[in-house]
Amino acid sequence: AQTVTQSQPEMSVQEAETVTLSCTYDTSESDYYLFWYKQPPSRQMILVIRQEAYKQQNATENRFSVNFQKAAKSFSLKISDSQLGDAAMYFCVINNAGNMLTFGGGTRLMVKP
Amino acid sequence: ETGVTQTPRHLVMGMTNKKSLKCEQHLGHNAMYWYKQSAKKPLELMFVYSLEERVENNSVPSRFSPECPNSSHLFLHLHTLQPEDSALYLCASSRSRNTEAFFGQGTRLTVV
Repeated sequence: AQTVTQSQPEMSVQEAETVTLSCTYDTSESDYYLFWYKQPPSRQMILVIRQEAYKQQNATENRFSVNFQKAAKSFSLKISDSQLGDAAMYFCVINNAGNMLTFGGGTRLMVKP
Repeated sequence: ETGVTQTPRHLVMGMTNKKSLKCEQHLGHNAMYWYKQSAKKPLELMFVYSLEERVENNSVPSRFSPECPNSSHLFLHLHTLQPEDSALYLCASSRSRNTEAFFGQGTRLTVV
């Protein structure tokens, strides 16, 4: 079995500032994939960023980057230059063999103008 | 628009009704999923169809019955539901486990 824990139910950030969302996970597999998804009020789940566990280099996508610490089983998301449109629920997700996506409980991010 | 379409977007049904949720993708993906999203709970994987093989969460009640007639279509048949089954039901698809899943916009189900 695998689990994903997001310890911050809610976070807030000032527009243009930087915020980091935390995620820890547990899995018995050595080969897996990690994702951050965003779910705005429209309910559409959208991929933000992905990380292959075999890669040491942290993934980046424009203003979004991750800090992947495999030994610690930690996968945090950093959002730089926060924008109002970043306000959403953010889910940390692990994908193992068999296409089984396991979601964390989510972090609600509020962006203050 | 992610390429995964769910219908209907909203559904209200009585506990004795039978209804079906539909999901469609034309992305050429090999796996399709049903998730349940309830308030204050993590997303719960209900069913996975991967290369026509079904994998299910054994905790899903039998009043939920999936059907995958081909790789592009996925249904969730509902019968004699309970009020606690009210939730957002999300469909997703992916090419393989090392690629991201694409989600539909969900069906908001209310059981009265």
